[in-house]
Amino acid sequence: DTAVSQTPKYLVTQMGNDKSIKCEQNLGHDTMYWYKQDSKKFLKIMFSYNNKELIINETVPNRFSPKSPDKAHLNLHINSLELGDSAVYFCASSQRGSNEKLFFGSGTQLSVL
Amino acid sequence: DAKTTQPPSMDCAEGRAANLPCNHSTISGNEYVYWYRQIHSQGPQYIIHGLKNNETNEMASLIITEDRKSSTLILPHATLRDTAVYYCIVRFSNNNDMRFGAGTRLTVKP
Repeated sequence: DTAVSQTPKYLVTQMGNDKSIKCEQNLGHDTMYWYKQDSKKFLKIMFSYNNKELIINETVPNRFSPKSPDKAHLNLHINSLELGDSAVYFCASSQRGSNEKLFFGSGTQLSVL
Repeated sequence: DAKTTQPPSMDCAEGRAANLPCNHSTISGNEYVYWYRQIHSQGPQYIIHGLKNNETNEMASLIITEDRKSSTLILPHATLRDTAVYYCIVRFSNNNDMRFGAGTRLTVKP
């Protein structure tokens, strides 16, 4: 059983479209994240949710809207996609508290044409 | 959180120990040192973490200097599957903000 699963694994779309990436974790964790890894391979945190409440919101365009229907899910919706949104997006989860470890999904490679 | 400095790349012979250094000279007393790695096209994977004492698990050992200004991740018998980018991160406990730097690209060679 995959601990943190993302769908789809690959997403190819045109500029201007709206798309969503789904993430689910079955670890019982209370905190979930979205990270973006660009072409230069830098991994940057975008959002963090704890118990469905937004904790971290980095300087991300408001075209990106995370949605957490419950603790086990954190979906990422992107409006009006731009070329610069092309990247690999990773979902992660952890249990808040001391010494927490992050568990990552396998990533969604988004290509905007 | 304190900043870390790692060499951009390292090579290691298969079967030998891989020693990956990390400098974190501005680390504060309650910041932990974490290590993750990212194998090509996969999500980052937790390896080990520590505060003051050296730590060992089934994957690696973490050696933290007495002044805590630097640490070394040791893979005792590197295999080709250990080829990856290794990230050293320092962060406060209970802080959700795990920030990744550029890491060290370790290449294990036959």
